[in-house]
Amino acid sequence: QKEVEQNSGPLSVPEGAIASLNCTYSDRGSQSFFWYRQYSGKSPELIMSIYSNGDKEDGRFTAQLNKASQYVSLLIRDSQPSDSATYLCAVSSRKTSYDKVIFGPGTSLSVIP
Amino acid sequence: DTEVTQTPKHLVMGMTNKKSLKCEQHMGHRAMYWYKQKAKKPPELMFVYSYEKLSINESVPSRFSPECPNSSLLNLHLHALQPEDSALYLCASSQVMGSWGDEQFFGPGTRLTVL
Repeated sequence: QKEVEQNSGPLSVPEGAIASLNCTYSDRGSQSFFWYRQYSGKSPELIMSIYSNGDKEDGRFTAQLNKASQYVSLLIRDSQPSDSATYLCAVSSRKTSYDKVIFGPGTSLSVIP
Repeated sequence: DTEVTQTPKHLVMGMTNKKSLKCEQHMGHRAMYWYKQKAKKPPELMFVYSYEKLSINESVPSRFSPECPNSSLLNLHLHALQPEDSALYLCASSQVMGSWGDEQFFGPGTRLTVL
């Protein structure tokens, strides 16, 4: 089982719709969870971090965490063509002596005008 | 200043060359990272410096040599690279390594091509 899994996509949604991105992780002891957006040819940009079960909202973005199910998601409301990018889920996982942030493979999102 | 800068943006080098990548941050962060990213793959951790000391080396070949001259600067020295080392090299920083301060902020990256 891979440590962090995401649907690779591509996920296509019409402009104005809600895009739902999902991520599962294998380390039950993970404490920190992040969503990054990466445009083609650019570097990852941190858009959300979440540490506690429940929802965290920031503008059009809502991150949801369920540690019991080892599941984290990102909802993008009122999707815009500018949201078209690859979304990377990242999870901080405890190794033998340090915490390491592990990235999922990413989900490609395409917002259709 | 909430920016991580990297130079150069692009680098083309031969297999016998020696070159260096540079990274700088002025956010007062005490952890700095080097990642390698191949096309359509997630970033892959190479090195972590915590309080200017090398804390993590993810079994990276010795042709990659990191250096942290001070708390704001991070270098990656390259020597005798192979064509398969061509990739986007990303620098990142966070307040501290691990715990609750590990939101990582990435620089724009250096696109490296090894001929």
